[in-house]
Amino acid sequence: DIQMTQSPSTLSASIGDRVTITCRASQSISRWLAWYQQKPGKAPNLLIYRASSLEGGVPSRFSGSGSGTEFTLTISSLQPDDFATYYCQQYNYYPITFGPGTKVDIK
Amino acid sequence: VQLQESGPGLVKPSETLSLSCTVSGSSISSGYYWGWIRQPPGKGLEWIGSIYETGSTFYNPSLKSRLSMSVDTSKNQFSLRLRSLTAADTAVYYCARGADILTAYNTWGVDFDYWGQGTLVTVSS
Repeated sequence: DIQMTQSPSTLSASIGDRVTITCRASQSISRWLAWYQQKPGKAPNLLIYRASSLEGGVPSRFSGSGSGTEFTLTISSLQPDDFATYYCQQYNYYPITFGPGTKVDIK
Repeated sequence: VQLQESGPGLVKPSETLSLSCTVSGSSISSGYYWGWIRQPPGKGLEWIGSIYETGSTFYNPSLKSRLSMSVDTSKNQFSLRLRSLTAADTAVYYCARGADILTAYNTWGVDFDYWGQGTLVTVSS
């Protein structure tokens, strides 16, 4: 199975900060990577697919980049609604696997 | 597009879990994969399996021996059955639509663009 890691596991930030989360795969997954946001008690919400394509309805302050084994999710200016846990997911290889998550909380 | 899980909230150890997901706003026969993902309390996400409108399935190898999935196009529903439950199967179970599909000679994968609200399943006597 492809192992996904994320760093940091927790990130403390302030409104307006630029935030970057890193996701690494145990082997190359090309660009078959998705990012999700999850708030407590809610289902995950797709933000980015194929590493850098913004899902419809997602604010443009979210962006994704990377290919191969290293990927980043960037929030250009953190908003109050962005405090949540973020997961990456690879779908280049079966079985599908998720990263352990990065919690973004208030500094 | 809306997905809604249904099924028991409490199941006894060694018994079988049966969950259904009813889809509205999208035909289950419109070229997507339909899947299940679970999340133990306070933990991360685990993909369980996915099914196509034809009944073709992909299962997580870690669950494959206990898992079966089916699709009912007449009801626009798909279902999961997980046998021989233990406490480790306690989780919130989500159904979701697999939209961006990778199908190649030696691999397969999807992302998940629409999710149900999730249903908590507790395995306990």
